[in-house]
Amino acid sequence: GQQLNQSPQSMFIQEGEDVSMNCTSSSIFNTWLWYKQDPGEGPVLLIALYKAGELTSNGRLTAQFGITRKDSFLNISASIPSDVGIYFCAGFITGTASKLTFGTGTRLQVTL
Amino acid sequence: DAGVIQSPRHEVTEMGQEVTLRCKPISGHNSLFWYRQTMMRGLELLIYFNNNVPIDDSGMPEDRFSAKMPNASFSTLKIQPSEPRDSAVYFCASSFLKGGDTIYFGEGSWLTVV
Repeated sequence: GQQLNQSPQSMFIQEGEDVSMNCTSSSIFNTWLWYKQDPGEGPVLLIALYKAGELTSNGRLTAQFGITRKDSFLNISASIPSDVGIYFCAGFITGTASKLTFGTGTRLQVTL
Repeated sequence: DAGVIQSPRHEVTEMGQEVTLRCKPISGHNSLFWYRQTMMRGLELLIYFNNNVPIDDSGMPEDRFSAKMPNASFSTLKIQPSEPRDSAVYFCASSFLKGGDTIYFGEGSWLTVV
């Protein structure tokens, strides 16, 4: 199925560093979701964005809905070991959740 | 609050056997989704129910796969007969579709067909 372009594919960072990842799409969305998936678990919703330009924070996480509605960014500040996992972006047009499109994921590894 | 509940969490079965995966969506949600996740293809939508009615099953691989939602609090995904290429993680997710949709996933059912 269709997937969003998510980058980087993987990151190795040291504890305390900030992390940035992004998603781009050829399609316009009006809802962006960011998920984290730990090994052996299902994706857990981190942040939901509903408006172009919206900037939303959840603790050390900040996500932005791009003005063009074709991209979104997730930043993690002061990373800690438990941030390890795979981060997925997902986008769709509100009311068409069956058309939810997922990014390919960013695998984050945090070293001490 | 209870999230999306799936069972079994893990299943290993022999090729040709029937597999039934179960899901209890979040109470009050009116939409339910079955996804399959593999390394090669990522997360793929198999089928989507709204108010217990299948709306989009275009992602169901083939006739060996079937899904039902007899009521608002229960759904099954059945594979009969199972094949090794069906080995994957199957996720159930639910949502309340009324603008500002957010979709919540269960912990997954890890299926291995040998």
